[in-house]
Amino acid sequence: KAGVTQTPRYLIKTRGQQVTLSCSPISGHRSVSWYQQTPGQGLQFLFEYFSETQRNKGNFPGRFSGRQFSNSRSEMNVSTLELGDSALYLCASSGLGQETQYFGPGTRLLVL
Amino acid sequence: DAKTTQPNSMESNEEEPVHLPCNHSTISGTDYIHWYRQLPSQGPEYVIHGLTSNVNNRMASLAIAEDRKSSTLILHRATLRDAAVYYCILRPPRNTGNQFYFGTGTSLTVIP
Repeated sequence: KAGVTQTPRYLIKTRGQQVTLSCSPISGHRSVSWYQQTPGQGLQFLFEYFSETQRNKGNFPGRFSGRQFSNSRSEMNVSTLELGDSALYLCASSGLGQETQYFGPGTRLLVL
Repeated sequence: DAKTTQPNSMESNEEEPVHLPCNHSTISGTDYIHWYRQLPSQGPEYVIHGLTSNVNNRMASLAIAEDRKSSTLILHRATLRDAAVYYCILRPPRNTGNQFYFGTGTSLTVIP
């Protein structure tokens, strides 16, 4: 089975722009969670989607949003980028009834 | 939201056992204890999880205190490939979602 894939792997944007990141979960997995990782704050939960519905949300401003499609692929969007949004964005998928999450390699975003 | 406390760093000699501690004094009766590790430039990967009883798998063992306020991840013979940041996570019941709240983790250095 192919693992979780994330595209793009690297991205450079400037302040004020918006960005969309994509995540394809493991085949059959319906839950996709997103995390932000920075040196200062560590790994922080952004939100989780299950069957196209947002099931949980972390403590991030409304500039961070996401969605999930019927094939379980998910996108997250960050609008009006700030320098502090520079981070590694990780997505993870989980199968129904599974305890574990499987993480992708992440998208490294640099905001200049 | 991170409810776990881990030492920032630990060192181990190669081929010796490693005991990574985690305190979680506010754990609820339904929280699972998960351990993930993150190798450099990769997303976190699952190591092991448990609820009340000690657990073993091919990667590691998990020893859970009787009062569940602490746990220890045991790597039986550390190899250089085990050098990573190890995260102890409390996971709420599956039916509430897949949001993981990571702590700061323990950076494990394996000395050849």
